[in-house]
Amino acid sequence: GDSVTQMEGPVTLSEEAFLTINCTYTATGYPSLFWYVQYPGEGLQLLLKATKADDKGSNKGFEATYRKETTSFHLEKGSVQVSDSAVYFCALVLYDKVIFGPGTSLSVIP
Amino acid sequence: GAVVSQHPSRVICKSGTSVKIECRSLDFQATTMFWYRQFPKKSLMLMATSNEGSKATYEQGVEKDKFLINHASLTLSTLTVTSAHPEDSSFYICSARGGSLGEQYFGPGTRLTVT
Repeated sequence: GDSVTQMEGPVTLSEEAFLTINCTYTATGYPSLFWYVQYPGEGLQLLLKATKADDKGSNKGFEATYRKETTSFHLEKGSVQVSDSAVYFCALVLYDKVIFGPGTSLSVIP
Repeated sequence: GAVVSQHPSRVICKSGTSVKIECRSLDFQATTMFWYRQFPKKSLMLMATSNEGSKATYEQGVEKDKFLINHASLTLSTLTVTSAHPEDSSFYICSARGGSLGEQYFGPGTRLTVT
């Protein structure tokens, strides 16, 4: 079935470090791919998205490229800040259903 | 644009009582809304899909008589947890489908605690 796999963490980084959170997916069709962020005690916020192969989504310094050949949508940021501490969910949307990965907890320390 | 609200944000109730959670799309019409449940440090689990004017479609394993969903208008869907028990304590998140690409916009969530 359709699924999303991502590194579960927790990931702990120092401020200004480079961030990569891996995400791979399995889908029977051609999904749209998303990254959502959840800050402590809050709901989900859309971080970025890509709707077709080779699209690059970007927002707030975060980037992810839809790689059909490797079925991946890895999240990257060149220099993380303490305020980026949150849980990050990779998700695919196919035929109206959202399938989430397990989430990756990120802690950024000063 | 594309704001989804939920009310209440937190609720504590006693075992055996019922609780209603509202999900509203504030600046767009949503023919379809979705209800998710999130356990601590876990991902979101889709509970049901709510279509305006028709019965909700529940995911396998979700008790439709326990989690009553009503989508009475294009901007409002409600989830009622009936005869709540402590194991129903969770974070409930709704989303509404809208926009030109039909993407989903998520509400801020409702923390339910059943004592």
